[in-house]
Amino acid sequence: TQLLEQSPQFLSIQEGENLTVYCNSSSVFSSLQWYRQEPGEGPVLLVTVVTGGEVKKLKRLTFQFGDARKDSSLHITAAQPGDTGLYLCAGVDVGFGNEKLTFGTGTRLTIIP
Amino acid sequence: EAQVTQNPRYLITVTGKKLTVTCSQNMNHEYMSWYRQDPGLGLRQIYYSMNVEVTDKGDVPEGYKVSRKEKRNFPLILESPSPNQTSLYFCASSGLAGLTGELFFGEGSRLTVL
Repeated sequence: TQLLEQSPQFLSIQEGENLTVYCNSSSVFSSLQWYRQEPGEGPVLLVTVVTGGEVKKLKRLTFQFGDARKDSSLHITAAQPGDTGLYLCAGVDVGFGNEKLTFGTGTRLTIIP
Repeated sequence: EAQVTQNPRYLITVTGKKLTVTCSQNMNHEYMSWYRQDPGLGLRQIYYSMNVEVTDKGDVPEGYKVSRKEKRNFPLILESPSPNQTSLYFCASSGLAGLTGELFFGEGSRLTVL
């Protein structure tokens, strides 16, 4: 079973600060997704990165896929209370005609007003 | 509104009492899946279905059953629940045959087995 480790597990920072969340694996993925989950709700897709080295920006969120497609990072600039939530990365593995999605362990982010 | 609907949202039951968590999607998606979410372990896949009458085991299938008789429904069955199945359960669906597309999740079903 492939493992996706996220760090940090918990992060609490002041509004306006910058932060980076990491998603690491020893396995290669064909693509990687980032989801955000708010209390009482299911995860919602933020972005999918496909190409090694790819960088995608979503307003104040910047997502990067590692060159070797084994890791990814999420950088938030000028964090706001609305960014609070559980952030999950998920790697897509394509092999043997079957696709498998493996979720990371999650980073719980709290932005303090 | 496009959505995945799970029921019940909350359930407390006792060991051994069979229960079913229903899942329905209105997006005509072929792919559906069940996950359980536990602290520090992330989302782990229980079962998935690529299409009607096609189901397969995920990473943690023990103690669970599923069926896919209709495209829109994918119920999760616990024949004899045990306390280690206490968890938050999510149903999800995707419109693509594979998983490179977006997974749409239900709101979750919190199950407690005493």
